[in-house]
Amino acid sequence: DTGVSQDPRHKITKRGQNVTFRCDPISEHNRLYWYRQTLGQGPEFLTYFQNEAQLEKSRLLSDRFSAERPKGSFSTLEIQRTEQGDSAMYLCASSPTRGQSSYNEQFFGPGTRLTVL
Amino acid sequence: GDSVTQMEGPVTLSEEAFLTINCTYTATGYPSLFWYVQYPGEGLQLLLKATKADDKGSNKGFEATYRKETTSFHLEKGSVQVSDSAVYFCALSVAGYSTLTFGKGTMLLVSP
Repeated sequence: DTGVSQDPRHKITKRGQNVTFRCDPISEHNRLYWYRQTLGQGPEFLTYFQNEAQLEKSRLLSDRFSAERPKGSFSTLEIQRTEQGDSAMYLCASSPTRGQSSYNEQFFGPGTRLTVL
Repeated sequence: GDSVTQMEGPVTLSEEAFLTINCTYTATGYPSLFWYVQYPGEGLQLLLKATKADDKGSNKGFEATYRKETTSFHLEKGSVQVSDSAVYFCALSVAGYSTLTFGKGTMLLVSP
């Protein structure tokens, strides 16, 4: 399977702990996106990378959140000092460079479900 | 800012019924429009898209037409199946290869 993968699929943590999620995009995709989805809502954009450069961050991304894509391949999203309000599904998506595929088609991973107790 | 409004669910239909899920949008630029589907326990999958006014996207019997005059992109299917039960998200993207703005999603439940 060469789709987007995310690890772990589920994470339960206590308030105040730090957590880190990993996303492996489709190998030839240059762009990588992080979204957050809470119950009953659509995904909300958090941040995206083109190769290793983080090009945009949402105001939803507080200073407790940090994302990296050090070699332009996989990405990590870290949440420090987790709060109950951080409980959500964290989705990763990737898309190819213009001209290689359909216009801005983003391919999503299965998500990491975070529960903060 | 950009936003997408979808009809609230759940939408409950019997197999072979006609489906319409309404979607309207506001955008600061000229958007591309998408429908994504999320089956239980799975990730979001692109169902169909349209990139300019009057384009019709279609896939797996689903269709949606980009209506600029009414800022709408309603999803339709002539005859739904139980396997179509899922959550459907309307989304837009402005200025190509930018982020997606999603609606809240509409759950579809199809009974035999």
